[in-house]
Amino acid sequence: GAVVSQHPSRVICKSGTSVKIECRSLDFQATTMFWYRQFPKKSLMLMATSNEGSKATYEQGVEKDKFLINHASLTLSTLTVTSAHPEDSSFYICSARATGKNNEQFFGPGTRLTVL
Amino acid sequence: DAKTTQPPSMDCAEGRAANLPCNHSTISGNEYVYWYRQIHSQGPQYIIHGLKNNETNEMASLIITEDRKSSTLILPHATLRDTAVYYCIVRVVYAGNNRKLIWGLGTSLAVNP
Repeated sequence: GAVVSQHPSRVICKSGTSVKIECRSLDFQATTMFWYRQFPKKSLMLMATSNEGSKATYEQGVEKDKFLINHASLTLSTLTVTSAHPEDSSFYICSARATGKNNEQFFGPGTRLTVL
Repeated sequence: DAKTTQPPSMDCAEGRAANLPCNHSTISGNEYVYWYRQIHSQGPQYIIHGLKNNETNEMASLIITEDRKSSTLILPHATLRDTAVYYCIVRVVYAGNNRKLIWGLGTSLAVNP
């Protein structure tokens, strides 16, 4: 099956620092990747959709300058949480849409961000 | 807003079939029904999807009513490892063929020994 990896799996940082999360499609090319955020006992909330080589499309209420997304290649997208604050602590999950595999979305294992 | 409603929790005995219902009464004709599950602190795992016809794969069966207003995910022989939150999702198609999965709160399935 299609495998999506995320790195790091867990990160703890101080308030005010920036954190970069990587999302990779390991055995397929993904023209579209998605970034989600999930708070405890809540559902996944789509933050943004990124297409390779173009700017990401952010959902309403998501600050593009705070959550920087770069989709530089067909197998890599990065999410940078800039000037992180405790309220940014959450579970961040990426997914990749696999062209040629019925356009299904495959999800990464998630990154647990804790901002102190 | 999610276009699906699911019971918040269900229990199932190990080895028995787990039948998870989902209502999607406002689904449009070109919108697929997807099922994913999420084990605690992991990313979602794809299970199955369908449009109108019933579907079956190695993990589960999906039964969609003729009017498409509801569906049921069937795990034929539940095991302890099937304990997870199960999400029934309608894939919405926006302008420009922009497709998004709109997530609800899911059903927390507990498989008991």
